[in-house]
Amino acid sequence: EVQLVESGGGLVRPGGSLKLSCAASGFTFSGSAIHWVRQAPGKGLEWVGHIRSRANNYASGYAASVRGRFISSRDEAKSTAYLQMNNLKSEDTAVYYCVSVDATIDAWGQGTLVTVSS
Amino acid sequence: GMTQSPDSLAVSLGERATINCKSSQSLLFDSNNKNYLAWYQQKPGQPPKLLIHWASIRKSGVPDRFSGSGSETDFTLTISSLQAEDVAVYYCQQYYRTPWTFGQGTKVEMK
Repeated sequence: EVQLVESGGGLVRPGGSLKLSCAASGFTFSGSAIHWVRQAPGKGLEWVGHIRSRANNYASGYAASVRGRFISSRDEAKSTAYLQMNNLKSEDTAVYYCVSVDATIDAWGQGTLVTVSS
Repeated sequence: GMTQSPDSLAVSLGERATINCKSSQSLLFDSNNKNYLAWYQQKPGQPPKLLIHWASIRKSGVPDRFSGSGSETDFTLTISSLQAEDVAVYYCQQYYRTPWTFGQGTKVEMK
């Protein structure tokens, strides 16, 4: 069974940092891109960024709202993707989901809540 | 972007529900003739559940009362016979290009 499990969320002060993890199982992680999508409380879905596979040179991209602050990475040996979030702002408060894509959308994780507040 | 209509609808048990999604750009990839459009169902406190990808392909385990149709810029999600457990918010999403974009959501309620 394809499974993605996010972790690392929590409460952080404005300007702080947090690193999210997305542990994958049940599929060929190395061949998949991992996307990050967030959902602010009571709001819709917003794409955050992604990192492609080794075959695609681990290319990454980010939404304008997080570019320069968020960085995607991955560890093939651990079948885990990461989202390093720096200089966090109150508007980054959301549930963060990771999504696996291999040609088409395969699976979503259950999400991890990030709260940015003083 | 992606625009859904209506924003909400109330449907009687067993009746049909139809949600429309319009993209500002074609989602049809010529080389494989596939539309990069997905539909999701989200219930309170839960992650989005993928119902349909490639515009019309049901994800394994999704009841066949859910169907997707359309091509290029205009798409439809149909629930042929609404059940109580279908009350939720539904989103369309394009994954043709990044940044991915989502519709604003359609809330489906029971009349």
